[in-house]
Amino acid sequence: QVQLQESGPGLVEPSETLSLTCTVSGGSISTYYWSWIRQPAGKGLEWIGRIYDSGATTHNPSLRSRVTMSVDTSKNQFSLKMTSVTAADTAVYYCARGSITTPGNRWFDPWGQGALVTVSS
Amino acid sequence: QSVLTQPPSVSGAPGQTVTISCTGSSSDIGAGYDVQWYRQLPRTAPKLLIYGNSNRPSGVPDRFSGSKSGTSASLAINGLQAEDEADYYCQSYDGSRYVFGSGTEVTVL
Repeated sequence: QVQLQESGPGLVEPSETLSLTCTVSGGSISTYYWSWIRQPAGKGLEWIGRIYDSGATTHNPSLRSRVTMSVDTSKNQFSLKMTSVTAADTAVYYCARGSITTPGNRWFDPWGQGALVTVSS
Repeated sequence: QSVLTQPPSVSGAPGQTVTISCTGSSSDIGAGYDVQWYRQLPRTAPKLLIYGNSNRPSGVPDRFSGSKSGTSASLAINGLQAEDEADYYCQSYDGSRYVFGSGTEVTVL
């Protein structure tokens, strides 16, 4: 079965760039859409954006200017970079696989276990 | 701030039925986009519970059922069990981004 694992620094200084990588195992990264979703402590979920194996991306309009995503099909990995972070970006960041359906009918399954990223000096 | 509105908490005794509502707008649920439901146990990642408004992935008990009407959706948990204590989130699409509900904490009395 497909498994996802996030990795990256757990502490980022304000105004710096947050970088995370999601490694996909047990299946190919090809064909599917792959998303980043975050959850501040005690709060709800926020979709950040998604990337296809071709490298095509779609972002949450509220975060678009700060977010860059990339994919490395040879390593079965995809990555997230978020610039100019503030304390408000402190959250658990999840990677998840999007279903092969039309955009309006897409679900996320499975999810990675999550990576806590704290923005602090 | 979540786009989809859910009650903060619901509770019920073992064996009872609880229902969680998810209210959206004409831009998301009301636009015909599907609703999904996820369950999140403490300190774990969300897990898909219902997809396509009312479909259960393999392995999800038939005690869980979903429905959608107009700009709202609902998740029903029949025969409530202690292991159902968790946070539940609905999810849909608004034409440009995926949106989630505010989350509902289910407590088994």
